[in-house]
Amino acid sequence: KAGVTQTPRYLIKTRGQQVTLSCSPISGHRSVSWYQQTPGQGLQFLFEYFSETQRNKGNFPGRFSGRQFSNSRSEMNVSTLELGDSALYLCASSSAGGSHNEQFFGPGTRLTVL
Amino acid sequence: DAKTTQPPSMDCAEGRAANLPCNHSTISGNEYVYWYRQIHSQGPQYIIHGLKNNETNEMASLIITEDRKSSTLILPHATLRDTAVYYCIVRVQGAQKLVFGQGTRLTINP
Repeated sequence: KAGVTQTPRYLIKTRGQQVTLSCSPISGHRSVSWYQQTPGQGLQFLFEYFSETQRNKGNFPGRFSGRQFSNSRSEMNVSTLELGDSALYLCASSSAGGSHNEQFFGPGTRLTVL
Repeated sequence: DAKTTQPPSMDCAEGRAANLPCNHSTISGNEYVYWYRQIHSQGPQYIIHGLKNNETNEMASLIITEDRKSSTLILPHATLRDTAVYYCIVRVQGAQKLVFGQGTRLTINP
């Protein structure tokens, strides 16, 4: 089974721009979660999507948004980029079908905002 | 906020057992203890989880104290490839959200 894939792997943007990151979950997985990782704040939960619906949301401003498609692929968007948005963005998928659904993480997209 | 406390760093000699402690004194009855690790520049990787019994799999063993307020992850024969940041997480059964703390940076020395 192929793992979680994220595209692009690296991205450089300038302040004020917007960016869209993509995540393809493991085949059959219906839950996709997004995390931001920075040296200062560590790994922080952004949001989770299940069956095209946002099920859980972390404490991030409205500039951060996401969506999930019918094939479970997910995108997250960050508008009006700030320098502090520079981070590794990770997505994780799980089957969400049982109690101990292990989360499988992708390799991440490293975003640099200049 | 994370509900776990871990030492920021630890060292272990290659071939020895690495014992990583975690405190979770406010754990609720329906929360499980999960361990993940993150090797440099990669996504976190699931290792093991448990509720109150000790657990073992091909990667590690998990020892949870009887009062469930702390646990220890044991890597029985550490290799250089085990060098990573190890995260201890408490999580409600079925919840997708993972709340990461700062973790323990484990360095395996040759």
